Amino acid sequence: QKEVEQNSGPLSVPEGAIASLNCTYSDRGSQSFFWYRQYSGKSPELIMFIYSNGDKEDGRFTAQLNKASQYVSLLIRDSQPSDSATYLCAVGGKLVFGKGTKLTVNP
Amino acid sequence: SQTIHQWPATLVQPVGSPLSLECTVEGTSNPNLYWYRQAAGRGLQLLFYSVGIGQISSEVPQNLSASRPQDRQFILSSKKLLLSDSGFYLCAWSRDSVSTDTQYFGPGTRLTVL
Repeated sequence: QKEVEQNSGPLSVPEGAIASLNCTYSDRGSQSFFWYRQYSGKSPELIMFIYSNGDKEDGRFTAQLNKASQYVSLLIRDSQPSDSATYLCAVGGKLVFGKGTKLTVNP
Repeated sequence: SQTIHQWPATLVQPVGSPLSLECTVEGTSNPNLYWYRQAAGRGLQLLFYSVGIGQISSEVPQNLSASRPQDRQFILSSKKLLLSDSGFYLCAWSRDSVSTDTQYFGPGTRLTVL
């Protein structure tokens, strides 16, 4: 049974700070990794995907993957109140989701 | 561009009643289609996926079934709802390989079983 673990939070950061969200997974053979953002009452929307070890940057978002440690993270720079949401880590094509980390960015 | 629709948006049903939720995708052909459920306080759980018309894979034994009568239509059904079927039902699609491709979610159906 594949597992994806996330710190449920809540994680609270001040506006303008860096928010760091972490995720570990159990299946060493996993090839694809995704971060989704879910606002309360809404469906998940894709933020980023990453397939290779290292960092991948898209605007204020950076995904980091370390397959040896089975660890994937999402950094949000210059956090804004609009970033307040639950962030879901997902692994694999038949996606296995973590339970999500709730992020609150305080003005 | 691709668009995914789900209806109804919300549904309140009594225990023992039937269920039919529909999902359609526009702007692409032969998508992979998925049904997920998100129960309160729990993560997203994959229920079914389909790689083509009439091809359904079930991930979790349960009170639900799925069908794909057309290329871009995916239906989730139940003959008799249970209280435990309450949740947020999400349809998703992906373009190519089930094993690696990015999935995009529809707006969801919030089901309450009373």
